[in-house]
Amino acid sequence: AQSVTQPDIHITVSEGASLELRCNYSYGATPYLFWYVQSPGQGLQLLLKYFSGDTLVQGIKGFEAEFKRSQSSFNLRKPSVHWSDAAEYFCAVEGRGGGNKLTFGTGTQLKVEL
Amino acid sequence: GAVVSQHPSWVICKSGTSVKIECRSLDFQATTMFWYRQFPKQSLMLMATSNEGSKATYEQGVEKDKFLINHASLTLSTLTVTSAHPEDSSFYICSARDALAVRNTIYFGEGSWLTVV
Repeated sequence: AQSVTQPDIHITVSEGASLELRCNYSYGATPYLFWYVQSPGQGLQLLLKYFSGDTLVQGIKGFEAEFKRSQSSFNLRKPSVHWSDAAEYFCAVEGRGGGNKLTFGTGTQLKVEL
Repeated sequence: GAVVSQHPSWVICKSGTSVKIECRSLDFQATTMFWYRQFPKQSLMLMATSNEGSKATYEQGVEKDKFLINHASLTLSTLTVTSAHPEDSSFYICSARDALAVRNTIYFGEGSWLTVV
């Protein structure tokens, strides 16, 4: 069965510092990969997605993620974090071919120190 | 971008009553919609997948008679929590698949807070 692991439950960084959130997946084949962000009491906003091609994906709000097949990872990065980036971040996978459901990781809570 | 709207954003109901939450795709047709439940500081748990014009597919452990899902049109799916109890209090989120978008993109609603008293 497919699964998504986000090893870090909480991460605290200083404003202006770089950020990397880890995501590992277990799936029979390379799935579609997503990162979502959720502010408290809000729905989910898609940051970026990987389907194929270039393994470095650019997203909104200055985020990027790199797909590494050999490590079954899809880590999210940002060079310089802003206080407004504090939120919950979810990695998700979907089976190829479309029409499949998303499987979410447990999330990483990001705190930003001013 | 595509918008998915949920209504109500929050609702308080008495124990034993039923409450309906609507999920609408505002500018695209959604052949498939998904309903999730999220407990505080936890991830999203998929409850069911609804396809327009057919019965919903429920995940293991989700009571289909308690959580009634209807997907009567290409832009509307509803979740009805029947005979609600305090343990049903949660944050419910829907998402909708835009079948015509690139790679069947999924969009999420803003969520609905349900409190059963």
